[in-house]
Amino acid sequence: QKEVEQNSGPLSVPEGAIASLNCTYSDRGSQSFFWYRQYSGKSPELIMSIYSNGDKEDGRFTAQLNKASQYVSLLIRDSQPSDSATYLCAVNTGRDTGFQKLVFGTGTRLLVSP
Amino acid sequence: EAQVTQNPRYLITVTGKKLTVTCSQNMNHEYMSWYRQDPGLGLRQIYYSMNVEVTDKGDVPEGYKVSRKEKRNFPLILESPSPNQTSLYFCASSSSMGTISYEQYFGPGTRLTVT
Repeated sequence: QKEVEQNSGPLSVPEGAIASLNCTYSDRGSQSFFWYRQYSGKSPELIMSIYSNGDKEDGRFTAQLNKASQYVSLLIRDSQPSDSATYLCAVNTGRDTGFQKLVFGTGTRLLVSP
Repeated sequence: EAQVTQNPRYLITVTGKKLTVTCSQNMNHEYMSWYRQDPGLGLRQIYYSMNVEVTDKGDVPEGYKVSRKEKRNFPLILESPSPNQTSLYFCASSSSMGTISYEQYFGPGTRLTVT
């Protein structure tokens, strides 16, 4: 089982719709979770981080975390063509003080059509 | 401007010719890391550094070396590059506190081709 799993997509949504991206992880000890957006050939750009169960909202983006189900999601409201990119889920599986091991999923490609 | 820089951005080289990819950050971050990204395999960690003179292997360290002599710099060294090291490389940095990792910020990437 992969440590961090995402559906590769593509996920196609019309402009203005809600895009829902999902991620599951295997390490129950994981404490921090991130969503990155990556345009083709560019570097990953952090868009959301979440550390506790529940929802975290930032503009059009909402991250949701359910540690019991080992599940993280990202909702993008009012999707725009400029949101078309690959979205990477990343999980910090490190447990020791100051230790960081960020494991990435392979990403979900999102296509927003005008 | 807070940033992570990498050089060169593009490099074509031949098998066995030693090369170094530089990485520098101006955010006074303790933690730095190197990743490679390949189609279908996602981002995989090569090496990371918790602070000056403290480095450790990631998931795919074979064929790579690193050093951390200064807090801001974390160069990636390929002593004898091979074609299977053709990839897109990213350097990243973050601060860290306790068991909660702070966000990692990525450099622009270095596209390496080894022929």
